Amino acid sequence: QLVLTQSPSASASLGASVKLTCTLTSGHSTYAIAWHQQQPEKGPRFLMKLHTDGTHFKGDGIPDRFSGSSSGAERYLTISSLQSEDEADYYCQTWGTGIQVFGGGTKLTVL
Amino acid sequence: EVQLVESGGGLVQPGGSLRLSCAASGFSVSNNYMSWVRQAPGRGLQWVSFIYSPTGTHYEDSVKGRFTISRHDSKNILYLQMDSLRTEDTAVYYCARGPYCGGDCQVNWGQGTLVTVSS
Repeated sequence: QLVLTQSPSASASLGASVKLTCTLTSGHSTYAIAWHQQQPEKGPRFLMKLHTDGTHFKGDGIPDRFSGSSSGAERYLTISSLQSEDEADYYCQTWGTGIQVFGGGTKLTVL
Repeated sequence: EVQLVESGGGLVQPGGSLRLSCAASGFSVSNNYMSWVRQAPGRGLQWVSFIYSPTGTHYEDSVKGRFTISRHDSKNILYLQMDSLRTEDTAVYYCARGPYCGGDCQVNWGQGTLVTVSS
């Protein structure tokens, strides 16, 4: 069964960096994912697609502060030089034959 | 510029029906993998359905047999017909282009439309 696991919450200080993790089930460790940001009271915003080899494709206007990387079944989103507007929910998403799955989301608090 | 605009949400009683529309511009829905995703109040994102010509239509288990995804190619509109609605279907419904596109491409999101199922 295709499942994505995310930690429910994370926090980091203004100006610091944070690395969010999305874990694929072991039988699906080569799947690509997408990362999305959802700021409070707003709709989702596409950040990037991230492949198993760590290559990623970013959405229009996404700052260089947002980057992605991969290791095995784990997909990471790193946000550097944290700003107040980065406080949001972050979701990973993947897709397969006849199915899509979202992770439960990580709520990022910028201290 | 790619744009997706949902409409059709509203208040409906349990057991009722509603049809959501998603008007697309800047690309053709007929050539793309198009999805519906929902978000219940205070909850995370949940995939609902997608349509993609090479593979057809697909549904999340809780909506199978009740929801139908379709598109009108000449009007460039994506639809979600929702029948036998339940209170647990209450959510903001988003349409999206993607996530699959056969290569690297953006996922584009609409602004969402609220569906409330309540007596």
